[in-house]
Amino acid sequence: QSALTQPPSASGSPGQSVAISCTGTSSDVGGYNSVSWYQQYPGKAPKLLIYEVTKRPSGVPDRFSGSKSGNTASLTVSGLQVEDEAAYYCGSSAGRNNFVVFGGGTKLTVL
Amino acid sequence: EVQLVDSGGGLVQPGGSLRLSCAASGFTFSSYYMSWVRQAPGKGLEWVANIKEDGSEKSYLESVKGRFIISRDNAKNSLYLQLNSLRAEDTAVYYCARPRGWSYFDYWGPGTLVTVSS
Repeated sequence: QSALTQPPSASGSPGQSVAISCTGTSSDVGGYNSVSWYQQYPGKAPKLLIYEVTKRPSGVPDRFSGSKSGNTASLTVSGLQVEDEAAYYCGSSAGRNNFVVFGGGTKLTVL
Repeated sequence: EVQLVDSGGGLVQPGGSLRLSCAASGFTFSSYYMSWVRQAPGKGLEWVANIKEDGSEKSYLESVKGRFIISRDNAKNSLYLQLNSLRAEDTAVYYCARPRGWSYFDYWGPGTLVTVSS
């Protein structure tokens, strides 16, 4: 049972946009502006896509964007491409005792 | 280029021990907190442990406290995780990762698989 709740799956056609939600509580997502998103291909390590809710590391396409409202954060992938098919995980600060908590992941399928 | 390379995983019996290592390069290792994060087969990510830049402070996931020990050798640019009293539920890929603030992880190792089974 992951601390943050994500839908297990999402899908879209090439060129479309898709949003993935991540729901927590006031002790994590709602309490900090520290939501992060990671992309993971099968058998590979996670890769940081978004940090501090909306920021993108150098090299991450601007097709990936993040937002937050209350206890729910969202990752939006615009202009879907075949190579976006992967698992996506959200993370959030959760205080010094729990450090960072994660969602269970969403498998994005590009139809 | 920042690189983290984790190693040391394998098959171990319940109650057994294992030591994981992570070799870091491409950044000033001694200036950063470091972490271990794990992922059970088919499951999500789970933070396991943190260690401060100089090793003076360590923090752990509640379920591994008293069983796992995180350590580092800044002279060797290396991070370690000693896994003791292993349980079946510790089976996972363990990733060495570099945390930023108390917020996110910007670099990850490729991971090393630990399987606890008789």
